[in-house]
Amino acid sequence: GDSVTQMEGPVTLSEEAFLTINCTYTATGYPSLFWYVQYPGEGLQLLLKATKADDKGSNKGFEATYRKETTSFHLEKGSVQVSDSAVYFCALSDQGGAAGNKLTFGGGTRVLVKP
Amino acid sequence: DSGVTQTPKHLITATGQRVTLRCSPRSGDLSVYWYQQSLDQGLQFLIQYYNGEERAKGNILERFSAQQFPDLHSELNLSSLELGDSALYFCASSVWGQETQYFGPGTRLLVL
Repeated sequence: GDSVTQMEGPVTLSEEAFLTINCTYTATGYPSLFWYVQYPGEGLQLLLKATKADDKGSNKGFEATYRKETTSFHLEKGSVQVSDSAVYFCALSDQGGAAGNKLTFGGGTRVLVKP
Repeated sequence: DSGVTQTPKHLITATGQRVTLRCSPRSGDLSVYWYQQSLDQGLQFLIQYYNGEERAKGNILERFSAQQFPDLHSELNLSSLELGDSALYFCASSVWGQETQYFGPGTRLLVL
């Protein structure tokens, strides 16, 4: 079945540091890939997505590129802020059709940015 | 604010009891999904409804059931509750033709 593996945290960084969170996936078809973010005490928010190989998703300074050859979708940000402290989830959705399909999530990576 | 609402926000109950969690999807979204987030299992898909019909099932226990009503809101019923059912339950919705799911704020269930 489908699976998503992401690096375990917590990842602790200083403000303005470079952030990378690794994510690799296993899927039978051609999935769409997502990064969701969960701020303390809140639900999940879509951060970015990519729907096909070599697509780059970007939002709020975060970027991730869909790499089919390495089955990866690593999240990067060049200069993090304290407000980026959250748990980040990599997820995939595999060929659900127009009615949609379940998301398969990685285990989440907690990021803590210190001033 | 995603536009997905869930009630209640918190729920504390005892083992053996039954609870109902409610979700209202974003306006126009026909698909509703339920997920469970727990410390040991992470985020797991439970069940999906599309326009009132069950479409997909994940790791949902037989003690759990769900339904989607004609006004498209959905309810997740959890019965014979056990300590291990304590978790954060999320509802998400999506619009026809789009894979992106929008999540509600969750219901935190504590079974004592």
